[in-house]
Amino acid sequence: NAGVTQTPKFQVLKTGQSMTLQCAQDMNHNSMYWYRQDPGMGLRLIYYSASEGTTDKGEVPNGYNVSRLNKREFSLRLESAAPSQTSVYFCASSYRTTNEKLFFGSGTQLSVL
Amino acid sequence: RKEVEQDPGPFNVPEGATVAFNCTYSNSASQSFFWYRQDCRKEPKLLMSVYSSGNEDGRFTAQLNRASQYISLLIRDSKLSDSATYLCVVNGGRSSYKLIFGSGTRLLVRP
Repeated sequence: NAGVTQTPKFQVLKTGQSMTLQCAQDMNHNSMYWYRQDPGMGLRLIYYSASEGTTDKGEVPNGYNVSRLNKREFSLRLESAAPSQTSVYFCASSYRTTNEKLFFGSGTQLSVL
Repeated sequence: RKEVEQDPGPFNVPEGATVAFNCTYSNSASQSFFWYRQDCRKEPKLLMSVYSSGNEDGRFTAQLNRASQYISLLIRDSKLSDSATYLCVVNGGRSSYKLIFGSGTRLLVRP
């Protein structure tokens, strides 16, 4: 049972480049999330998807877009990367949206030069 | 004021020690509380939920004080393997989807 699989693990971009972070879960969870983690700060929610077919903005959505491709997959896209988007990105999932244990992927270390 | 505040530490304790962390939260409507553990360069993992009456899981005890809006985590008989960052997590309100993460308290357990 793989849980939450996130790719890539590392990525270096130049300012202005675009990329998509992929996330898939095999636990039949309804809700999926994208967080970013910066030094000295807690994880901050970028976007979430309460269920297949829905997506909503979190705390820090600017500069990102998401796609809930199906129940298993939730991707995060940076259309024009900026140095401020240098961070560690975590995908997570839960059975329902609220008050539930989150299962996290292993993270993507992204550097934007 | 941050929505969830934690002392960043590090707390440096010898093996076998008892150590406690506190976390304060600002939203009195928060209903759900958790402690997550995060090892260096790894993903967070749920350590335990925090219930109103307090709860214990082996060497770990979590307590909630709604009146003062803080939760605590007590670790007894610390092990080297307990070295990690402990994240306090609170939901954003009665019907909120949002989980708010503290920036974490780092624990170092030395031999």
